Amino acid sequence: RKEVEQDPGPFNVPEGATVAFNCTYSNSASQSFFWYRQDCRKEPKLLMSVYSSGNEDGRFTAQLNRASQYISLLIRDSKLSDSATYLCVVRPGGYQKVTFGIGTKLQVIP
Amino acid sequence: ETGVTQTPRHLVMGMTNKKSLKCEQHLGHNAMYWYKQSAKKPLELMFVYSLEERVENNSVPSRFSPECPNSSHLFLHLHTLQPEDSALYLCASSQGTGVNEKLFFGSGTQLSVL
Repeated sequence: RKEVEQDPGPFNVPEGATVAFNCTYSNSASQSFFWYRQDCRKEPKLLMSVYSSGNEDGRFTAQLNRASQYISLLIRDSKLSDSATYLCVVRPGGYQKVTFGIGTKLQVIP
Repeated sequence: ETGVTQTPRHLVMGMTNKKSLKCEQHLGHNAMYWYKQSAKKPLELMFVYSLEERVENNSVPSRFSPECPNSSHLFLHLHTLQPEDSALYLCASSQGTGVNEKLFFGSGTQLSVL
């Protein structure tokens, strides 16, 4: 089983739609979780951290389910500019090792 | 504008060449990283430096040689590469190496090995 698994997509959604991605992780000792966004041919950029209680930043909501070992990202009212690849990042309790998922590609269609 | 700059943006090299990738961070961070991103694969951690000391080396072939002369600069020296080494090489930095540290990436060097 991969350490971090994501559906690579692509997810094609119309503007204004709500879309959700999940990411599962295998290491139950993982302590921190993040979502990064990567535009085509660009570097990954931090979108948001994921906290146990769930957190929201505008149209974006991130949640953590430790029992089932997955994190999720919900995007409401999708914009064309949301088109990108969304990378799930998991950090176990060890030293610096950070594990990235393969990313889920989102395409928002006019 | 990113606080982490990488040069060159693109690099084409033959298998017998020697080249170096450069990374500089202007964020006052103490940790720097090299990642490799190949098509259809997740980012792979190559090296981690914390306060100029290498703290992780993820079984990377010796044809890749990192150098961290100070906490703001990181190099990746390349020699006798293989075509399968063609990828996007990303440098990143973080304030420290704790579990909640966030990574800030440079724009990467797209490397093609012929």
